[in-house]
Amino acid sequence: GAGVSQSPRYKVAKRGQDVALRCDPISGHVSLFWYQQALGQGPEFLTYFQNEAQLDKSGLPSDRFFAERPEGSVSTLKIQRTQQEDSAVYLCASTSFPRGSYNEQFFGPGTRLTVL
Amino acid sequence: SQQGEEDPQALSIQEGENATMNCSYKTSINNLQWYRQNSGRGLVHLILIRSNEREKHSGRLRVTLDTSKKSSSLLITASRAADTASYFCATDLRGGSNYKLTFGKGTLLTVNP
Repeated sequence: GAGVSQSPRYKVAKRGQDVALRCDPISGHVSLFWYQQALGQGPEFLTYFQNEAQLDKSGLPSDRFFAERPEGSVSTLKIQRTQQEDSAVYLCASTSFPRGSYNEQFFGPGTRLTVL
Repeated sequence: SQQGEEDPQALSIQEGENATMNCSYKTSINNLQWYRQNSGRGLVHLILIRSNEREKHSGRLRVTLDTSKKSSSLLITASRAADTASYFCATDLRGGSNYKLTFGKGTLLTVNP
């Protein structure tokens, strides 16, 4: 079956531009996560959805970051007025947890965002 | 913030040798997982060990967990060039936010043919 897909794979934005990153989770997965991964670092949690409900957005770095999952499937991470420090790989992950026993997350390939 | 730290930061070995990576974390956990990341395939789940387990095997992988020392190790036996990747441990915390994975900074493993 298909895994988690993300688009675009690469995005170059000029500082101040708005960007939208898309995530298609594994069909039927209840939970969806967004992570930010800076160069040479591990992924850092941004936000968590259970179905269409955003249950935790504590990791979003500023109010320029906004995520949605209106129908409980596809999710979009939007970054407004991008800054150079937003340059990173944005990873999406999905899991059947909490329906499944364990929080084994399946990751997409990521979107590499470069802000010039 | 990163919950855990992997050690070493980088490891270079010859094909056929064993590779051992360590992970330390700070707070009580439910489970600890190891993930692999390379440029071709992104982050891939390798193995999960529960907080009440001490050792787990999966193929050429062996994971240990010592909750008293808040540490885990990942052993890859008979390494192959295809094992070249970054390896991350990830923990989910005991308590309300157990859905949230917290990753370490990773160990970059290079297996030379």
